[in-house]
Amino acid sequence: AQSVSQHNHHVILSEAASLELGCNYSYGGTVNLFWYVQYPGQHLQLLLKYFSGDPLVKGIKGFEAEFIKSKFSFNLRKPSVQWSDTAEYFCAVNTGVANFGNEKLTFGTGTRLTIIP
Amino acid sequence: KAGVTQTPRYLIKTRGQQVTLSCSPISGHRSVSWYQQTPGQGLQFLFEYFSETQRNKGNFPGRFSGRQFSNSRSEMNVSTLELGDSALYLCASSFRGEGYNEQFFGPGTRLTVL
Repeated sequence: AQSVSQHNHHVILSEAASLELGCNYSYGGTVNLFWYVQYPGQHLQLLLKYFSGDPLVKGIKGFEAEFIKSKFSFNLRKPSVQWSDTAEYFCAVNTGVANFGNEKLTFGTGTRLTIIP
Repeated sequence: KAGVTQTPRYLIKTRGQQVTLSCSPISGHRSVSWYQQTPGQGLQFLFEYFSETQRNKGNFPGRFSGRQFSNSRSEMNVSTLELGDSALYLCASSFRGEGYNEQFFGPGTRLTVL
């Protein structure tokens, strides 16, 4: 069974600092990878996703992530964070079979990001 | 387009009772998945329904069950509630076409078991 690890449980940064949140997964086959964000009091929403192709994917609000297959990693980055980025971030993996959807997502335990103005 | 809606938003129950949570997917979406979110375990997949059939199931006891109606709305039921069932229960809907389809999450139902 697949699993996802997020080693940073709580990250505190000052505004304008650069961000990198780690995500590693364990699964030997083809994966779809996601980062979700949960702002305080809001729904879980998709930041970005990787299915195939260019391993560097760009998402909303200036976030990007790089898929490194050899390291089973999908780290999230942002060059300059803002106070409004304070939220909880979840990495997730889906091992759906092509041409027949499998919607199950396996999530990491999340990283709480606090940005200090 | 309206998002995923879940009712009720908050519930307080006592041990041993049962509870039913409801989820209305985005119009046109045919798949509904349920997740349990707790501080200790994070987000864990419960099950997925598509065309009124359970298509996928997580590692939860049989006390957790669900169903889907012909209009794609879904309910999940938890019987014989335990203190550890206190959690935020999230519903997500997707179109479920070819390949993987993005899931859209609802606001959740916060269940407290006393």
